[in-house]
Amino acid sequence: AQTVTQSQPEMSVQEAETVTLSCTYDTSESDYYLFWYKQPPSRQMILVIRQEAYKQQNATENRFSVNFQKAAKSFSLKISDSQLGDAAMYFCASTINAGNMLTFGGGTRLMVKP
Amino acid sequence: GAVVSQHPSWVICKSGTSVKIECRSLDFQATTMFWYRQFPKQSLMLMATSNEGSKATYEQGVEKDKFLINHASLTLSTLTVTSAHPEDSSFYICSAHFPPGQEYGYTFGSGTRLTVV
Repeated sequence: AQTVTQSQPEMSVQEAETVTLSCTYDTSESDYYLFWYKQPPSRQMILVIRQEAYKQQNATENRFSVNFQKAAKSFSLKISDSQLGDAAMYFCASTINAGNMLTFGGGTRLMVKP
Repeated sequence: GAVVSQHPSWVICKSGTSVKIECRSLDFQATTMFWYRQFPKQSLMLMATSNEGSKATYEQGVEKDKFLINHASLTLSTLTVTSAHPEDSSFYICSAHFPPGQEYGYTFGSGTRLTVV
């Protein structure tokens, strides 16, 4: 069974600054995918970034990047130049292979201060 | 592409009645649909996995007779909450894989807020 843990229930960042959200996971599989999803007040789940476990290079998507530490089973999300629109719940999630369901962490509520 | 349309967005029903939630894949065929439940300020919990043309697989602790899932076609999966009670009030979300040809990932419906009074 997979588990995903987000140790920060809430985080706060000043607009234009950088914030890092933590995520650790546990799996015995060697092939898996990791994701960060954003859930704004509308509650629509939005994919922020994905990482394939076999890729050593950290994924980046514009202002969003990850620090994937496979041996430590850590998958943190860095948001640079934070914007007010980044305020949301952020969920870390994993799946062991194609076709399986996602396992979600407990979420981190990110607040952005103007 | 890979849009899942979920309806209704919100519904209020009386205790003891049944409510049906629909998820349609608009521009692709979803052979598998995942149904999640989310309580306020909590994470998404998988309820069941539905596969087109076969019985759904329910997670431990989820009542099959209360949460009826049907996946009769490649573009439609439904969740029916039968004999709803106030404790069934929650936010329900469906999800499907991105279709082949796209980077691996999942698309989500916009969710249904169910309130049972």
